[in-house]
Amino acid sequence: EDKVVQSPLSLVVHEGDTVTLNCSYEVTNFRSLLWYKQEKKAPTFLFMLTSSGIEKKSGRLSSILDKKELFSILNITATQTGDSAIYLCALTSGTYKYIFGTGTRLKVLA
Amino acid sequence: EAQVTQNPRYLITVTGKKLTVTCSQNMNHEYMSWYRQDPGLGLRQIYYSMNVEVTDKGDVPEGYKVSRKEKRNFPLILESPSPNQTSLYFCASSWGRTTDTQYFGPGTRLTVL
Repeated sequence: EDKVVQSPLSLVVHEGDTVTLNCSYEVTNFRSLLWYKQEKKAPTFLFMLTSSGIEKKSGRLSSILDKKELFSILNITATQTGDSAIYLCALTSGTYKYIFGTGTRLKVLA
Repeated sequence: EAQVTQNPRYLITVTGKKLTVTCSQNMNHEYMSWYRQDPGLGLRQIYYSMNVEVTDKGDVPEGYKVSRKEKRNFPLILESPSPNQTSLYFCASSWGRTTDTQYFGPGTRLTVL
C-alpha cells in the first residue's frame, strides 16, 4: 500500500532558525513527490521532485529527494513568522493517484 | 486570472438531502480531483478524472459520485449525505500526464447535521 509519513508532526521555532521537515514514503510505481504549504486556506505548490539528488530552491526554501532511501526533506532557512503553516508532502504513482501525508505544523515565533 | 473555483464555499445541510459541490477551472487542465481534509487525517483523495468522461476512485470514494462531461467542470455529488461526510473539501486541477503540479480551489466547508 502506498504511504507517506511526515515528521515531525509539529514544530515551534524562533525567527531566524533553520528547520528541516521530513517526508518518507512507500510506493509501488513512483512518479513524483510534491511539497505544498497550507496556511488558513488551500494548499499552495512549493516543489515537485522526480529525480534523486537534485536540489530545488526557491528563496529560503529548498528540497531534495532520495529515491534510494525513499525520503525527501524540505529546508527553510532564516525562518520568518510568515513561514508558519502546515507543510504537506504528497506522492503520485503510476495510477495518477495522489497520496498526502498528514503534514507538519510549523509555528515561527517572533 | 488562472484559477480553480468551488461553490458553495460553506454549506450546512441535513442527513439524506442530496447536494452538489461544483468545481470549475479555466486553465484547460486535463486532470481534476476532489479531496477531503479532516483533522489528523490530512488530505485524502475522493475521485479523480484524467479527462472528459474518464473518472476513477481515489482512496475514499464511498458515498460520493462525480462526473466529467466538460473539461472545465468536475462536480462532486453527495446523493445521501451523512454526518461522517462533514469535512473541508478541495477541488484541484493539473495538466496531468506532463506534470503533477496541482492547483487547488479555495475549499468548501460542509456540515451535515
